[in-house]
Amino acid sequence: SQTIHQWPATLVQPVGSPLSLECTVEGTSNPNLYWYRQAAGRGLQLLFYSVGIGQISSEVPQNLSASRPQDRQFILSSKKLLLSDSGFYLCAGLTPGRTYEQYFGPGTRLTVT
Amino acid sequence: GDSVTQMEGPVTLSEEAFLTINCTYTATGYPSLFWYVQYPGEGLQLLLKATKADDKGSNKGFEATYRKETTSFHLEKGSVQVSDSAVYFCALQHTGNQFYFGTGTSLTVIP
Repeated sequence: SQTIHQWPATLVQPVGSPLSLECTVEGTSNPNLYWYRQAAGRGLQLLFYSVGIGQISSEVPQNLSASRPQDRQFILSSKKLLLSDSGFYLCAGLTPGRTYEQYFGPGTRLTVT
Repeated sequence: GDSVTQMEGPVTLSEEAFLTINCTYTATGYPSLFWYVQYPGEGLQLLLKATKADDKGSNKGFEATYRKETTSFHLEKGSVQVSDSAVYFCALQHTGNQFYFGTGTSLTVIP
């Protein structure tokens, strides 16, 4: 079965510092991968999705970026964090043609101070 | 565009009460519909799904029926337990690779 790994689980970073969150997938190949942000008490906001290596679609203009250097690796980055970047970041995957649903990682709680 | 609207919470119920969380959607054609559950501090887990009209998804005592005529996918459970306390998300997937999630409904079950 497909499993999403994310790290770190929690992160506290000062404003203006860089960010790198990593997501890896096991148990499948050629997945579609997604980054979501969940602000406190709110729903999921899709940030980026990728259908393959080097292919990134951005849904929301912001100071975040994403990269997919390998088939099963998806990275969320920022050069300079803002207070408004605080939230719970979720990586998700989907294997086209094999399953309809997304499977989620455990999430990273980011607090920008 | 595609969207999902779900009942706002929070919802507080006593153990063994009946649960309904309403979800309606807007989409052309025939999307797939899902309910996900999120326990505190964790990622989302798929609870149930339905991929065509009149399908009923069920899992762990929860059920939801895909109603094309009312564009709804309401979540129900006949007798909730304390362990059902979580946030529930309705979602749809349509053409392409994107999912659309509702804003989530927080459920607290008290003994």
